[in-house]
Amino acid sequence: GEDVEQSLFLSVREGDSSVINCTYTDSSSTYLYWYKQEPGAGLQLLTYIFSNMDMKQDQRLTVLLNKKDKHLSLRIADTQTGDSAIYFCAESGYNKLIFGAGTRLAVHP
Amino acid sequence: DAGVTQSPTHLIKTRGQQVTLRCSPKSGHDTVSWYQQALGQGPQFIFQYYEEEERQRGNFPDRFSGHQYPNYSSELNVNALLLGDSALYLCASRLRATNEKLFFGSGTQLSVL
Repeated sequence: GEDVEQSLFLSVREGDSSVINCTYTDSSSTYLYWYKQEPGAGLQLLTYIFSNMDMKQDQRLTVLLNKKDKHLSLRIADTQTGDSAIYFCAESGYNKLIFGAGTRLAVHP
Repeated sequence: DAGVTQSPTHLIKTRGQQVTLRCSPKSGHDTVSWYQQALGQGPQFIFQYYEEEERQRGNFPDRFSGHQYPNYSSELNVNALLLGDSALYLCASRLRATNEKLFFGSGTQLSVL
């Protein structure tokens, strides 16, 4: 079956690194995505990784993919208050995206 | 270059009514998908349209229907609204023949009273 799971909540201090984890089930997913959603807003694509890659770095964001364990993580370096939001992991099913329930990231001073 | 635009941004309806939500895809995109995001949950796939036909459907009842026009814009219709239909409805578009990622609109917040 299709299922993407994430922890629901993460709290970090400003300036620290945040790591958001996700597990997925479909090993045939071509791409895996991280989206950010701020209150009252739609989805903003943060980054994505092709399934044949292990790691992708994009400025403060690092995505790690472990295909064997079907585990995806998003690391945000030097986390800022503006990073407070809900982060969704998604896998690409056939012609659609399958999302997790989202991880709420709270950044405190 | 406008991204994906949706209208209206907010809507209030009562149980049993019907609603139509609208979406204009990003310029150059020919495929539109609709997602429902209930409060506290991740988006759930409703259906996808290209070449003016529904091509794939998620686990939603027939009360949910759609349409795609020759200019690639799309509508989502929901009949006989239930309280549980209250959600953020997101439209996403892409160019089908590529592996280009999905672009999402800001959504329509539907409240059913």
